[in-house]
Amino acid sequence: KQEVTQIPAALSVPEGENLVLNCSFTDSAIYNLQWFRQDPGKGLTSLLLIQSSQREQTSGRLNASLDKSSGRSTLYIAASQPGDSATYLCAVRENYGQNFVFGPGTRLSVLP
Amino acid sequence: DTGVSQNPRHKITKRGQNVTFRCDPISEHNRLYWYRQTLGQGPEFLTYFQNEAQLEKSRLLSDRFSAERPKGSFSTLEIQRTEQGDSAMYLCASSRAQFATGANVLTFGAGSRLTVL
Repeated sequence: KQEVTQIPAALSVPEGENLVLNCSFTDSAIYNLQWFRQDPGKGLTSLLLIQSSQREQTSGRLNASLDKSSGRSTLYIAASQPGDSATYLCAVRENYGQNFVFGPGTRLSVLP
Repeated sequence: DTGVSQNPRHKITKRGQNVTFRCDPISEHNRLYWYRQTLGQGPEFLTYFQNEAQLEKSRLLSDRFSAERPKGSFSTLEIQRTEQGDSAMYLCASSRAQFATGANVLTFGAGSRLTVL
């Protein structure tokens, strides 16, 4: 059974810092991996999708990497801003089926 | 079409009552998903539709849960004889299969929060 974990569970940084969020998954037979952002009481917003054949994806200040063989992905946020404060979740889609397995998320606070 | 719409946003009910949630996906999206999320946890998969066909169901979807997508457009999730353990946020997501790339970016609705007293 695929399990997804995220470290740290919570992170607080001053504005302007670069930071890295970590995601680990137990079964490397994945189709793709997505990073999402969730604001309190709201749904999820997709940030980046990495196919299993890709190593990284970039969007603005965000860069996500994927090392499928080791079961790891990282989300790098450059020059953090208070508006980046949210919970960040990673999810993997396995090779079979359409189910996405989510991690518990990392709650990020960027202090002004 | 501004995104995935879910109604109601919040439902409070007494144990044993039935509740129904509705999801209106993005119109050109043929795939629709239901997830359940409890506080401090990531969403858990419940079920998946491609057009009107329900192709996958999680073991979490007990006999008290039923989902439909009658015309391949909107979907409903019904919970019968609600229990306190059903209290959660019920999230709907939709996507359009990108067969050329295999990408499947999910667009989520804001969710329907269920409180069972």
